Amino acid sequence: AQSVSQHNHHVILSEAASLELGCNYSYGGTVNLFWYVQYPGQHLQLLLKYFSGDPLVKGIKGFEAEFIKSKFSFNLRKPSVQWSDTAEYFCAVNLMSGGSNYKLTFGKGTLLTVNP
Amino acid sequence: SQTIHQWPATLVQPVGSPLSLECTVEGTSNPNLYWYRQAAGRGLQLLFYSVGIGQISSEVPQNLSASRPQDRQFILSSKKLLLSDSGFYLCAWLFGTGVHGYTFGSGTRLTVV
Repeated sequence: AQSVSQHNHHVILSEAASLELGCNYSYGGTVNLFWYVQYPGQHLQLLLKYFSGDPLVKGIKGFEAEFIKSKFSFNLRKPSVQWSDTAEYFCAVNLMSGGSNYKLTFGKGTLLTVNP
Repeated sequence: SQTIHQWPATLVQPVGSPLSLECTVEGTSNPNLYWYRQAAGRGLQLLFYSVGIGQISSEVPQNLSASRPQDRQFILSSKKLLLSDSGFYLCAWLFGTGVHGYTFGSGTRLTVV
């Protein structure tokens, strides 16, 4: 079964620092990749997604992620974080297995704390 | 526009009591529907998914069950709650193929006491 690994459980940064959150998945077939964000007390929101084409994907709020197929990775980056980026970030993988039985598998999440 | 409704927002139930959480989707038809449980430090665990009325797939054996009595309604149930059922339950829907991601409801915080 596929799995998703997020290497950092809790990341603490100061404002303006650069961010990179790691995500690796275990499935060797065709996948769609996602990053979701959950701000304190809010819904899960889609940050960005990759399904084909340019492996460098840009999302909302200045976030981007790079799909490196050879490394089974989809790391999330932001050049300069803000206090408002404090949230929990989830990487997720959707197997392209055909039919309509798509299932999104999540990593365990990374809590990002940005200190002002 | 498509929206997803989930209720109640919070629920405190005694051990051994029944459970029914409801999720409904508006503005779409024939969605894939999902129940996830979110636990601190453990991410989101897929519990059940449904691709149509009466069609339920279970991902993990547990004390819970799911039903889909109508196209846009998905219900999570238990006959007798356990302490370990406490958690944050999220409903999600997917329309079409998987490339567009999933939309999540606001969740239900269940505390079993």
